[in-house]
Amino acid sequence: QVQLVESGGGVVQPGRSLRLSCAASGFTFSNYAMYWVRQAPGKGLEWVAVISSDGSNNYYAESVKGRFTISRDNSKNTLHLQMNSLRVEDTAVFFCAKGGEIGDTYGSDYFQHWGLGTLVTVSS
Amino acid sequence: QSVLTQPPSVSAAPRQRVTISCSGRSSNIGNNAVNWYQQFPGKAPKLLIYYDDLLTSGVSDRFSGSKSGTSASLAISGLQSEDEADYYCAAWDDSLNGWLFGGGTKVTVL
Repeated sequence: QVQLVESGGGVVQPGRSLRLSCAASGFTFSNYAMYWVRQAPGKGLEWVAVISSDGSNNYYAESVKGRFTISRDNSKNTLHLQMNSLRVEDTAVFFCAKGGEIGDTYGSDYFQHWGLGTLVTVSS
Repeated sequence: QSVLTQPPSVSAAPRQRVTISCSGRSSNIGNNAVNWYQQFPGKAPKLLIYYDDLLTSGVSDRFSGSKSGTSASLAISGLQSEDEADYYCAAWDDSLNGWLFGGGTKVTVL
């Protein structure tokens, strides 16, 4: 069965960096777009970033553009999110999610499977 | 403020039917598929509906989705206490080149 396991969360000071990882198993990782979605404490879901199945294309939410970088290693079935210049408002549970469709047609995709999430706390 | 607009909360008695609306624009709901997610407190979201109205395997057929123009809806019929959760709509936005979520709707069973 599909498994997504996030890691790398923790407490970090504003302005510092953190790298999240998501280990995927149970499906052909290189066939699907992958996503990061976050949820601030007591708030709703916010999409963060998407990367195409081959890693050649990506998009970011305006709130993280220029600070976060999404990447993937298809040989290791792993998704990453490099987060730089972290802000207090980046405090959230970060979920990785698998796209539902083979290929990279985002307009018809969906977040089919989700990991349990990893908590990032940005605080001085 | 979410670009996809949902009511913050809806409530109904057991066995009743509730509908959650999700309003957007031509660049998102009007031109792309809408998906619906269910989330219990402290848990990861779960896909309920995709491609506007397709039910995820294993999800109760008491859940249904629909879309018309730039609005979509999630209906829950035969409401049960186990349906108490937060529900989110989501769609890709062609203008933003990004995904949008609705603000979420909390369903309460009276």
